[in-house]
Amino acid sequence: GAVVSQHPSRVICKSGTSVKIECRSLDFQATTMFWYRQFPKQSLMLMATSNEGSKATYEQGVEKDKFLINHASLTLSTLTVTSAHPEDSSFYICSAMRLAGGPGELFFGEGSRLTVL
Amino acid sequence: AQSVAQPEDQVNVAEGNPLTVKCTYSVSGNPYLFWYVQYPNRGLQFLLKYITGDNLVKGSYGFEAEFNKSQTSFHLKKPSALVSDSALYFCAVRDQAGTALIFGKGTTLSVSS
Repeated sequence: GAVVSQHPSRVICKSGTSVKIECRSLDFQATTMFWYRQFPKQSLMLMATSNEGSKATYEQGVEKDKFLINHASLTLSTLTVTSAHPEDSSFYICSAMRLAGGPGELFFGEGSRLTVL
Repeated sequence: AQSVAQPEDQVNVAEGNPLTVKCTYSVSGNPYLFWYVQYPNRGLQFLLKYITGDNLVKGSYGFEAEFNKSQTSFHLKKPSALVSDSALYFCAVRDQAGTALIFGKGTTLSVSS
């Protein structure tokens, strides 16, 4: 099956710094990628929809200046958490949509665990 | 707006017994329905999906789900549970191709030996 890679899988940073998380579709092109956030033992909350070559669409309540999303190519989307605070600590999961072979099949990365000290 | 409800936070079953994890949904059009499983600190693993066709969908690891349009349900089932099935299960829905999945809150399945 299709593979989506996230990097880093775990990151620890100090408050006030910025952290970049990468999401790559390794063997298919993804014009659309989605970013989710998951708190411990809770569901995945959609943060934003990332479209290649255009601005991301953010869900209500998600600060676009804090969570910067860039989708510069058909295989890469990045999420940058700016001026990180401890409450930003969470598990971030990306999903890439493959258009070929079905009604927009979605494939998920392994997630990135962010801990802000 | 789309929504998914998983009414049970936790389901406990004994190994070898059948299991059911419940899911109901709400969408404005025809639903695309999915089940995923998540192990601790891992991403989501796809189990099965319903797009159209037979109401009974068979998926990975012996799981199956039945789409019931009148009850707007998509319960996940397995005839004989394994201890290794213990994990967090998510039901998800989208109302059209090309949109994000909306997830239920998740159900923790615990299978005892």
